[in-house]
Amino acid sequence: QKEVEQDPGPLSVPEGAIVSLNCTYSNSAFQYFMWYRQYSRKGPELLMYTYSSGNKEDGRFTAQVDKSSKYISLFIRDSQPSDSATYLCAMSANSGGSNYKLTFGKGTLLTVNP
Amino acid sequence: KAGVTQTPRYLIKTRGQQVTLSCSPISGHRSVSWYQQTPGQGLQFLFEYFSETQRNKGNFPGRFSGRQFSNSRSEMNVSTLELGDSALYLCASSLDTSTEKLFFGSGTQLSVL
Repeated sequence: QKEVEQDPGPLSVPEGAIVSLNCTYSNSAFQYFMWYRQYSRKGPELLMYTYSSGNKEDGRFTAQVDKSSKYISLFIRDSQPSDSATYLCAMSANSGGSNYKLTFGKGTLLTVNP
Repeated sequence: KAGVTQTPRYLIKTRGQQVTLSCSPISGHRSVSWYQQTPGQGLQFLFEYFSETQRNKGNFPGRFSGRQFSNSRSEMNVSTLELGDSALYLCASSLDTSTEKLFFGSGTQLSVL
């Protein structure tokens, strides 16, 4: 079983739709959870960062972490064509002062159609 | 503030050759990590450097190596290239080792023929 599982999609939605992206994981030591957005031919860009369980909102984006279910989600409200990209979840087990190795999901390709 | 700069952007090599990729982190960032991205495996951690020391290494063969200089710039080297080394190699920098917030460059696309 892979440490992090993410549905690769592709996911195609109309502009204005609510998008839900998810990852599951198996390593209970993961404490830090991130979502990255990667446009074609670019490096990943950090979108959301969450520590432990709970919700975090930033504009149209909401990240949810449920450690009891080992499940994280990213919701995009009022999706725009500019949101079309690959979305990668990433996780880390380390705490401050230690080495960092992010474990990534394989990414979900999202297309928002005008 | 300039982002993470990786050079070259594209590289074509043949099997058996070696290659060196370069990364300049964001000014003031002292930690540099390298990742390999392929369609089949996704993003996989290669290694992490801080203060010119390798602090963590991923599960890659010894043909993959790296180093960090006193100005935090980093290089990674792959010797005896194999077809399977074709990938996007991404460098990420962070302020120090106390944060998981990584800032990625656009990567070097390596093709091995």
